Amino acid sequence: DAGITQSPRHKVTETGTPVTLRCHQTENHRYMYWYRQDPGHGLRLIHYSYGVKDTDKGEVSDGYSVSRSKTEDFLLTLESATSSQTSVYFCAISESIGQGAFFGQGTRLTVV
Amino acid sequence: AQTVTQSQPEMSVQEAETVTLSCTYDTSESDYYLFWYKQPPSRQMILVIRQEAYKQQNATENRFSVNFQKAAKSFSLKISDSQLGDAAMYFCAYRDYGNNRLAFGKGNQVVVIP
Repeated sequence: DAGITQSPRHKVTETGTPVTLRCHQTENHRYMYWYRQDPGHGLRLIHYSYGVKDTDKGEVSDGYSVSRSKTEDFLLTLESATSSQTSVYFCAISESIGQGAFFGQGTRLTVV
Repeated sequence: AQTVTQSQPEMSVQEAETVTLSCTYDTSESDYYLFWYKQPPSRQMILVIRQEAYKQQNATENRFSVNFQKAAKSFSLKISDSQLGDAAMYFCAYRDYGNNRLAFGKGNQVVVIP
């Protein structure tokens, strides 16, 4: 199994507070992704990274920011959490375009 | 942006029978990759099978096979001899060299009836 760890695995937070989710990999893969999964929507891309300090927006990036200061860590920050950001968040890593991505276990975030 | 479409949100299949999940995608690229992922109740995303667009031969992995129709932009997954452990959500995904994104469809829920 690919070495990819998400933390925390579960979190409950209050509306308006900042939240940071961490994705850590031990595979030295170039690409890292953050998705959110909601019923009826599948997996939607929030942000992704194609190298250290190289990031780009996905289809649902509003309200989220990311940082990648080193290869192994990709952080997702909810600047001011809202109830609409209650979701399951997945991190994924990939070495090349032709390779399927490997996923973390997911983080269930509840904003109350 | 590329889009991936999966219809038939839920499919039921008798144990030992065959079920086919459909997926269509929209792209102007000629070189790309297609994937099917399985997500069981544990929530873990598992890569089931991948297809390279430049290969005409359909990919096969044990009981899982695909029907790749490039001109029609269609990529269906066939699960043969269905087992209870196949019950899961299945996602179709697309990726190409033009961008770094991996785009997913909304998923098909497969229910296996004993």
